[in-house]
Amino acid sequence: GESVGLHLPTLSVQEGDNSIINCAYSNSASDYFIWYKQESGKGPQFIIDIRSNMDKRQGQRVTVLLNKTVKHLSLQIAATQPGDSAVYFCAENSGGSNYKLTFGKGTLLTVNP
Amino acid sequence: DAGITQSPRHKVTETGTPVTLRCHQTENHRYMYWYRQDPGHGLRLIHYSYGVKDTDKGEVSDGYSVSRSKTEDFLLTLESATSSQTSVYFCAISLGQGRFTEAFFGQGTRLTVV
Repeated sequence: GESVGLHLPTLSVQEGDNSIINCAYSNSASDYFIWYKQESGKGPQFIIDIRSNMDKRQGQRVTVLLNKTVKHLSLQIAATQPGDSAVYFCAENSGGSNYKLTFGKGTLLTVNP
Repeated sequence: DAGITQSPRHKVTETGTPVTLRCHQTENHRYMYWYRQDPGHGLRLIHYSYGVKDTDKGEVSDGYSVSRSKTEDFLLTLESATSSQTSVYFCAISLGQGRFTEAFFGQGTRLTVV
């Protein structure tokens, strides 16, 4: 079964609001996490990543928070814009020598103007 | 732009026929991946490659084979296509040399098996 993420939920926000997208992971050995954005008809695009030795990392308008105690990852988008409407996936690398990523099922974010 | 080209972008094929999808990269990255994406399942790894002629299975490899005879090309073959293999297929590469590096994805191939 899935080791990362939830059944595809939907989040609807108003333009200008902050958005928080959540992801649960089950593999405590995972040490690297990535958030991707996927627009309709396109491949996933990298947003931000975080290693397990960090709790928080900030990018442009985005922040990723990692809580290893409860195996939870979140993506915060500040001042959400219509162009942020997409499906967002979290992905994890479970450690060791492999370079494989395991993806969650995604969250659909809809931004209302 | 990491320069990934997937071909074809769309294909309709009949059950039982062989199908080959191609992923081409222009920057000599070592690691390449094939994922499939289906509603309710997200992205699932089919096969990956860590060098020329070095490949390994992912979580949904049954019914698929891969080959990598050159650094720049990673081929995914459906030996005998089935309707359950109707999906969107994405190729990806690891951009960096270390493990803590994101995967960069192509635009996808939509495959329909009728």
